[in-house]
Amino acid sequence: QKEVEQNSGPLSVPEGAIASLNCTYSDRGSQSFFWYRQYSGKSPELIMSIYSNGDKEDGRFTAQLNKASQYVSLLIRDSQPSDSATYLCAVNKGAQKLVFGQGTRLTINP
Amino acid sequence: KAGVTQTPRYLIKTRGQQVTLSCSPISGHRSVSWYQQTPGQGLQFLFEYFSETQRNKGNFPGRFSGRQFSNSRSEMNVSTLELGDSALYLCASGPGPRREETQYFGPGTRLLVL
Repeated sequence: QKEVEQNSGPLSVPEGAIASLNCTYSDRGSQSFFWYRQYSGKSPELIMSIYSNGDKEDGRFTAQLNKASQYVSLLIRDSQPSDSATYLCAVNKGAQKLVFGQGTRLTINP
Repeated sequence: KAGVTQTPRYLIKTRGQQVTLSCSPISGHRSVSWYQQTPGQGLQFLFEYFSETQRNKGNFPGRFSGRQFSNSRSEMNVSTLELGDSALYLCASGPGPRREETQYFGPGTRLLVL
């Protein structure tokens, strides 16, 4: 079992709709979770961090964490074509070691 | 505030050669981590340095090494290059040692081994 798992997609969502990206992790002791966005040919860019159970909102983005289910999600409201990218879920394993999922490729269709 | 910088941005080497990549973290950041990204394996952790000390190392052979200088700049070295070392090498910087602190990535160095 991989430490961090994501559906690789591609996930196709119409413009203006909500995109929902999911991630599960295996280490129940994990405490810090991150979502990065990566455009093709570019480096990962931080979108959200979340540490506590519940929702965390930042603009059109909402991260959700459920430690009991070992589940992290990212919701993108009012999806725009510029949101088309690969979204990476990451878990901090200590001493700044991030373990990443394989990424979900998201396409927003105009 | 300037972001993370990495040099060189692109590199072509042949098998058996060695390569040194450089990373300058965000001003004030003391933690530098290195990652390898390939289409098949995704993003994988190489090692992390804080205050010139390697605190964590990923599952890579000893051909991969690194160091950090007193100004927090870091270098990684790959010796005896193999075709499979072709990848995007990413450096990330963070403020310090705490687990919950965010890491910010540089633009990466794209290495092609022929």
